[in-house]
Amino acid sequence: AQSVTQLDSQVPVFEEAPVELRCNYSSSVSVYLFWYVQYPNQGLQLLLKYLSGSTLVKGINGFEAEFNKSQTSFHLRKPSVHISDTAEYFCAVSTYSGGGADGLTFGKGTHLIIQP
Amino acid sequence: DAGVIQSPRHEVTEMGQEVTLRCKPISGHDYLFWYRQTMMRGLELLIYFNNNVPIDDSGMPEDRFSAKMPNASFSTLKIQPSEPRDSAVYFCASSPEGTKNIQYFGAGTRLSVL
Repeated sequence: AQSVTQLDSQVPVFEEAPVELRCNYSSSVSVYLFWYVQYPNQGLQLLLKYLSGSTLVKGINGFEAEFNKSQTSFHLRKPSVHISDTAEYFCAVSTYSGGGADGLTFGKGTHLIIQP
Repeated sequence: DAGVIQSPRHEVTEMGQEVTLRCKPISGHDYLFWYRQTMMRGLELLIYFNNNVPIDDSGMPEDRFSAKMPNASFSTLKIQPSEPRDSAVYFCASSPEGTKNIQYFGAGTRLSVL
């Protein structure tokens, strides 16, 4: 079984400042890693994903994340945030055995609060 | 494509009543997932289907919950009888085969059981 830990439940940041949202995972097998964003009263939207290859992945809205296998981390970063980035961010993992997809295991989420 | 469509968006019911949540996945997607989101437990997988067949229902809380997928374009999640602790946001997601589990989520159904 796998698990995901998002160390910060809430991160306040000033507008135009950089931000990092932390995510650590635990799994006995290889995993795929995802970041999703949830705006108020909406569903989850995929920000970016790590499936294989380059450990630095870029997503939508200027976000990027780096997969670090030795530290079992997949932290999300943005060099300059905007007020519209205020949302809940979820890190998720899944396994893929070759026999098919599997459900996602989510972290508890990090609420990103952008202060003007 | 319109994306994953869930109905209703909001449901308010009284304890003991039957509740049915509906989901239409993205056309051509082979996998369909049901998740529940609560403040206490976060996002949890309830059940998922592959080609209309339930693959893993270990996340279904108890026998009061049941899910069906009669065809590739429709799934239901039923709670009977409903209890106040079932109050949550229920999400449906779908995924195409061969994409390494990239899932697309619906807008969710917010269920309140009084």
